[in-house]
Amino acid sequence: KAGVTQTPRYLIKTRGQQVTLSCSPISGHRSVSWYQQTPGQGLQFLFEYFSETQRNKGNFPGRFSGRQFSNSRSEMNVSTLELGDSALYLCASSLMGGQPQHFGDGTRLSIL
Amino acid sequence: DQQVKQNSPSLSVQEGRISILNCDYTNSMFDYFLWYKKYPAEGPTFLISISSIKDKNEDGRFTVFLNKSAKHLSLHIVPSQPGDSAVYFCAASATSNTGKLIFGQGTTLQVKP
Repeated sequence: KAGVTQTPRYLIKTRGQQVTLSCSPISGHRSVSWYQQTPGQGLQFLFEYFSETQRNKGNFPGRFSGRQFSNSRSEMNVSTLELGDSALYLCASSLMGGQPQHFGDGTRLSIL
Repeated sequence: DQQVKQNSPSLSVQEGRISILNCDYTNSMFDYFLWYKKYPAEGPTFLISISSIKDKNEDGRFTVFLNKSAKHLSLHIVPSQPGDSAVYFCAASATSNTGKLIFGQGTTLQVKP
């Protein structure tokens, strides 16, 4: 059974640009959550999507947004990139939004 | 404010001995707890979980203990193996926000041969 797939694995952008990250959940999973991991703040919850609707949101600025498609695939967008957005972005899926969540290997975003 | 805390950044254990990783939480709304293991360049891998209606859950070499009154949980690995060397994260969830996990800062476990 395929796991959670995140693309791309690595990305380099410059300040002010925008970026879109993609996540394909485990087949049959309808909930997708996104997390940011940085050395200083650890793993922090960004948002959760379930059946194409945002169900939970963390404490991140509006520059961070996401969406979910009818096939449960999800995208995360960050606009007007800042140096502090450099991080590992992780996507996790679960069957109905319960636990446990299963994680992908992440997208490493570097801002120059 | 950090709602889930892992106060030990690192732990070193001899192969074959027990590893005990600790986690404290402050939010009484949390009712489901998980442990994840993470290797470099990989995403976290789910290890074991426990609901607040239990105080112990076992899965092979891994046992999680929950002390609700102390708002404390621990992960026991017996016996420890070199392949267990990784970063371990404790995470918590409230029933009303099941898609949202709050993570501790992680504990790096090193198991020496």
